[in-house]
Amino acid sequence: DAGVIQSPRHEVTEMGQEVTLRCKPISGHDYLFWYRQTMMRGLELLIYFNNNVPIDDSGMPEDRFSAKMPNASFSTLKIQPSEPRDSAVYFCASSTGAGNQPQHFGDGTRLSIL
Amino acid sequence: AQKITQTQPGMFVQEKEAVTLDCTYDTSDQSYGLFWYKQPSSGEMIFLIYQGSYDEQNATEGRYSLNFQKARKSANLVISASQLGDSAMYFCAMREDNYGQNFVFGPGTRLSVLP
Repeated sequence: DAGVIQSPRHEVTEMGQEVTLRCKPISGHDYLFWYRQTMMRGLELLIYFNNNVPIDDSGMPEDRFSAKMPNASFSTLKIQPSEPRDSAVYFCASSTGAGNQPQHFGDGTRLSIL
Repeated sequence: AQKITQTQPGMFVQEKEAVTLDCTYDTSDQSYGLFWYKQPSSGEMIFLIYQGSYDEQNATEGRYSLNFQKARKSANLVISASQLGDSAMYFCAMREDNYGQNFVFGPGTRLSVLP
């Protein structure tokens, strides 16, 4: 079975550029999550969707970050304009939402802003 | 206040021995779930084991088991017969029913298995 698919795996770009991260969740999963992982702050939830609708975006750091889920099989996380402090690994995860079910993570996107 | 505490930033264990990774949590919910994930150096997050707050038995999955002590709010991961491939970061996470699908992750423990 295909897991959560993220692209790109690595992204290096200059400060001020727009960055778009992409995610395809596991088919049949109703919940999609975006996380950011840094050494300083660990794993932080940025936003999550249920049935393509954003439910909790309280973790989105600022207006430069936006996330969309236009359909059940695709989500994007955009940073515009990007800053060096946005450098991190960004994970997408999905789940069925059932209480005993884990979130399944993609392989992550390693983002470096120069 | 930290909802998930993992007090061991780093642990060493000899190959083939058992090791316990600590996790304590803080919640006022009666219904919650606890999850452990493994993150090897390659970076992916791998789900290992789940324990529900109402589960009477400690969860087991192969060489992984949970030492769940509800009154003490602890859910320690036990890895038996450690292998070199177990060297990784290990994260404890909690989902509280009153907070929807939010998972809160602990800071992690880095386990190194020595040959």
